[in-house]
Amino acid sequence: DTAVSQTPKYLVTQMGNDKSIKCEQNLGHDTMYWYKQDSKKFLKIMFSYNNKELIINETVPNRFSPKSPDKAHLNLHINSLELGDSAVYFCASSQDLGLAGGRQFFGPGTRLTVL
Amino acid sequence: AQTVTQSQPEMSVQEAETVTLSCTYDTSENNYYLFWYKQPPSRQMILVIRQEAYKQQNATENRFSVNFQKAAKSFSLKISDSQLGDTAMYFCAFGYQGNLIFGKGTKLSVKP
Repeated sequence: DTAVSQTPKYLVTQMGNDKSIKCEQNLGHDTMYWYKQDSKKFLKIMFSYNNKELIINETVPNRFSPKSPDKAHLNLHINSLELGDSAVYFCASSQDLGLAGGRQFFGPGTRLTVL
Repeated sequence: AQTVTQSQPEMSVQEAETVTLSCTYDTSENNYYLFWYKQPPSRQMILVIRQEAYKQQNATENRFSVNFQKAAKSFSLKISDSQLGDTAMYFCAFGYQGNLIFGKGTKLSVKP
């Protein structure tokens, strides 16, 4: 069984469109995350959710909005897509925040291409 | 703010040989985790090894081991008996309060 799954795996869309990427984890974890990996392979955290509360929000444009309907899901909505949004987006989960942060399990990634 | 530096953008090693990937980090915190993740061409992020900062003993996982030098803020990864399947991007990461901060990665190629 897949621990952390994302859909779709590939997404090609036009500038200005609104799109969503879904993420589900079946590990019973309390915290979920979204990361962006740019064309140079640099991975940076965008958001994390713990018990349905946003606890980290790096300087991400407000066109990006995470939505968590329940503990097992954290979806990423992107409005008014721009060329610079093209990247691979990873969802991840961990048992809890802990004092020092524990192991995170990553989904397979979604390659978003904005034309 | 924490930073993670991987000074080797690319490395190559012959199959069956040993290679060491470097990682340094900067933090004022005392309790944290350090990780090495592997990203093969399939782009899946795979945890290779994890080290708790409060443990002096270096972590090992089969052919993978780390040299953790807390005072020097250094966390290198040694891969022994390299295999073709080890070809991948390797990311060093610093974990604190649920936040993972990644280095820019080292692209490792294992040559037959």
